[in-house]
Amino acid sequence: NAGVTQTPKFQVLKTGQSMTLQCAQDMNHEYMSWYRQDPGMGLRLIHYSVGAGITDQGEVPNGYNVSRSTTEDFPLRLLSAAPSQTSVYFCASSSGPNFSTDTQYFGPGTRLTVL
Amino acid sequence: KQEVTQIPAALSVPEGENLVLNCSFTDSAIYNLQWFRQDPGKGLTSLLLIQSSQREQTSGRLNASLDKSSGRSTLYIAASQPGDSATYLCAAKSNFGNEKLTFGTGTRLTIIP
Repeated sequence: NAGVTQTPKFQVLKTGQSMTLQCAQDMNHEYMSWYRQDPGMGLRLIHYSVGAGITDQGEVPNGYNVSRSTTEDFPLRLLSAAPSQTSVYFCASSSGPNFSTDTQYFGPGTRLTVL
Repeated sequence: KQEVTQIPAALSVPEGENLVLNCSFTDSAIYNLQWFRQDPGKGLTSLLLIQSSQREQTSGRLNASLDKSSGRSTLYIAASQPGDSATYLCAAKSNFGNEKLTFGTGTRLTIIP
C-alpha cells in the first residue's frame, strides 16, 4: 500500500488566494491530522479527525478548514492565503487512540509559499 | 500546557560511537511518547513508541527510555553510522482531550565518517 500521500509537493500562492491541500491514506486508519512545521517551532497541530464526519480544531486552526467525508481522505483548505501560512504541511494518520500501538504515519509534506 | 524540549539542537559525532539524544517534557500525564526521524525535505518516520506504562522500547540499534516522574526520554543509538544522520524528533501524546501530539523542535544529528 502507498501509506499516506499528499499533493501537491510544492505550491506558491499569492496573498488572498485559496487552495486545497490533499491527503489520502490507504491503511483504513480512523485518525487523521494536519500539522505545520516552521523553523524553530516544531510541528503544530492544525486540525484533526477521529473518523469520517468528525473533525476538531488543534493548536493553530485559524485560516484553515477541513472536512472528512470518507475514511481515506482528509483535505485541508486555505480560505484566503496569508504570508504567515508559508510553511511545510504534513498530514498524518494512525489507527486511533483505542489501539495500543497508535503509531503515527506521516506523508511526505507540502511546501507552501505565500507571496 | 505540555512543552517538549530537545537539547542540543545539533550534534556531530564520529562514526561508530554510541550516542544519546535527549527529550524532556513538562507534563508527566502523557499517554505515550514517540521518537521520529526526519530526513531533509522528507516526512517523519516513526522509530519507537513507548506507552506510559513502559520504561523502554528497543528496535535494532535503537533504544528509547521513558521516565515520567522526571519528565525525560532518551534515544540511544548504538554503533552510529553515516546513514543515521537526520533530525530526530520526540513527541508526547497527552492523556486528555484532543489526542494532540506535542513535538520538540528536534536534534539534528550528523555522523562523521
